[in-house]
Amino acid sequence: DADVTQTPRNRITKTGKRIMLECSQTKGHDRMYWYRQDPGLGLRLIYYSFDVKDINKGEISDGYSVSRQAQAKFSLSLESAIPNQTALYFCATSAPPGLAGVVWNEQFFGPGTRLTVL
Amino acid sequence: AQSVSQHNHHVILSEAASLELGCNYSYGGTVNLFWYVQYPGQHLQLLLKYFSGDPLVKGIKGFEAEFIKSKFSFNLRKPSVQLSDTAEYFCAVKTDNNNDMRFGAGTRLTVKP
Repeated sequence: DADVTQTPRNRITKTGKRIMLECSQTKGHDRMYWYRQDPGLGLRLIYYSFDVKDINKGEISDGYSVSRQAQAKFSLSLESAIPNQTALYFCATSAPPGLAGVVWNEQFFGPGTRLTVL
Repeated sequence: AQSVSQHNHHVILSEAASLELGCNYSYGGTVNLFWYVQYPGQHLQLLLKYFSGDPLVKGIKGFEAEFIKSKFSFNLRKPSVQLSDTAEYFCAVKTDNNNDMRFGAGTRLTVKP
């Protein structure tokens, strides 16, 4: 079974619709992240959460919101989708750094959600 | 703001050729460095990471990377590529001055027979 799962895997929606992307993990990690991937731009961080009561904006949070319902679940919402939010969205998890000199530990990625906004 | 540059957007190599993919970042403090690989249709997987210590890091599948602090670089190398190395490769940098991980734009590697 996959450690980090995302639903749906593909979604086509229309401008103005509200969309929720869900992420679940069985790795027991406290830290969870949402990224979007665009051709030529790599991955950009949208939001991240270090525990259930912690939500932080990333590089490109405008137009998005998140909810950390439990340690294992982290949802990304687009309140009113627009075409330039068409992208591949990845959820990731990591354990807190436990070693001196480790600022941020390696991340484990889900399979991605391909979102198209028409 | 810190940035991560991968200057090679698309690299095409013949099987058994040597590989070096460039990664440069713009931050002078403490960094944690990563290379991730994304095979066609799959999610990102960690190839290797550098936190501290020996600047030459060995990863999976015969990859290695060298952290050169004076050059702000963390180039990925493999002495002899295989067809199965065809993928997109991402360099990522985490600095100690904020809570944001930055990825490079990626380098697409195509290995031909």
